[in-house]
Amino acid sequence: QKEVEQDPGPLSVPEGAIVSLNCTYSNSAFQYFMWYRQYSRKGPELLMYTYSSGNKEDGRFTAQVDKSSKYISLFIRDSQPSDSATYLCAMDKDGDMRFGAGTRLTVKP
Amino acid sequence: GAGVSQSPSNKVTEKGKDVELRCDPISGHTALYWYRQSLGQGLEFLIYFQGNSAPDKSGLPSDRFSAERTGGSVSTLTIQRTQQEDSAVYLCASSFKPGGSTEQYFGPGTRLTVT
Repeated sequence: QKEVEQDPGPLSVPEGAIVSLNCTYSNSAFQYFMWYRQYSRKGPELLMYTYSSGNKEDGRFTAQVDKSSKYISLFIRDSQPSDSATYLCAMDKDGDMRFGAGTRLTVKP
Repeated sequence: GAGVSQSPSNKVTEKGKDVELRCDPISGHTALYWYRQSLGQGLEFLIYFQGNSAPDKSGLPSDRFSAERTGGSVSTLTIQRTQQEDSAVYLCASSFKPGGSTEQYFGPGTRLTVT
């Protein structure tokens, strides 16, 4: 079993839809939870990070962490074609980072 | 300011040849990470530098892989006697906080193809 599981998709939605991206993990020692966005042929860029269970909102993006279920989510409201990218979840324990496989998202105009 | 840069952006090499991949981190960033990303796979951790030392080399796939960092800045990842399974995108990231940083800044990667 991988430490971090993420459905690779692909996921295709119409513009304006709400997108839900999810990861599960097995190591309860993870302390930080992150979402990275990676455009084609680019390096990943940090989108959001959270430390504790609960929700964190930044514009159209909401990151949710449920430590009891070892489950994290990223919600994108009013999705735009420019959101089309691969989204990777990542988890960190004292600098030891583990990434999910990434979910490829396409938002169609 | 300048971000993380990597060179070359693309490298095609014959099986059995050695390759060197270079990473220039953001100035002042003390931590540097190398990852490998294969098609449909997540980022595979290879090695982490704090300054010039590598406290964690656990991710290097084999003894054909080595890395060094000099002057607390530039890092080179060397793959000897390349194999076709080494084909992947090699990503470098740097961060300001040592150890448990949540903010790693990634370079654009080097796309390695072994023929």
